[in-house]
Amino acid sequence: NAGVTQTPKFQVLKTGQSMTLQCAQDMNHEYMSWYRQDPGMGLRLIHYSVGAGITDQGEVPNGYNVSRSTTEDFPLRLLSAAPSQTSVYFCASSYSYPSGGSYEQYFGPGTRLTVT
Amino acid sequence: KNEVEQSPQNLTAQEGEFITINCSYSVGISALHWLQQHPGGGIVSLFMLSSGKKKHGRLIATINIQEKHSSLHITASHPRDSAVYICAVSLSFGNEKLTFGTGTRLTIIP
Repeated sequence: NAGVTQTPKFQVLKTGQSMTLQCAQDMNHEYMSWYRQDPGMGLRLIHYSVGAGITDQGEVPNGYNVSRSTTEDFPLRLLSAAPSQTSVYFCASSYSYPSGGSYEQYFGPGTRLTVT
Repeated sequence: KNEVEQSPQNLTAQEGEFITINCSYSVGISALHWLQQHPGGGIVSLFMLSSGKKKHGRLIATINIQEKHSSLHITASHPRDSAVYICAVSLSFGNEKLTFGTGTRLTIIP
């Protein structure tokens, strides 16, 4: 298994540009999420999905869009990049047990994004 | 106030020392996760626990649900243990959303 993969590893954007960060997992996990990591702050949840066709907002969703058309893929779209979106982005996945319980989360290698 | 607090923020120790990193949280949780992040690297799950104690090699994680506190211990520390250790909690059953602490940066000097 490749686990959770993310592309690209690095990206530089100009203010106002749009782009999509790709995330894929091959473990048949229902739950997928996107986090951003900024210096001095814990990881913060942007958007998450509990299955194909189902997405919801996390703590910091503004400026980002997601969709989940398949179990494997969960792309994150930056609609109009701003310098405040300069960050490291991590995708994660896990099983999700509808009636309770928690599962280990698997993280991708991250995408380092700089917006100038 | 963060829902998840870690201490210390930074820790430097000599190789071989016993290391303790603490995590306190302010709300009821369904599970607590300990994660490791090497410099410039990805994030790896070390432990997930909801009660008691777990051990993996030289790493031990404990949790006290009543006191809302968890500790991560490293025995016989080694320079390769140098990393950021992150505590995260799942706030409710069936909800895999995590709330993270800001991490503890551990440096082990040979």
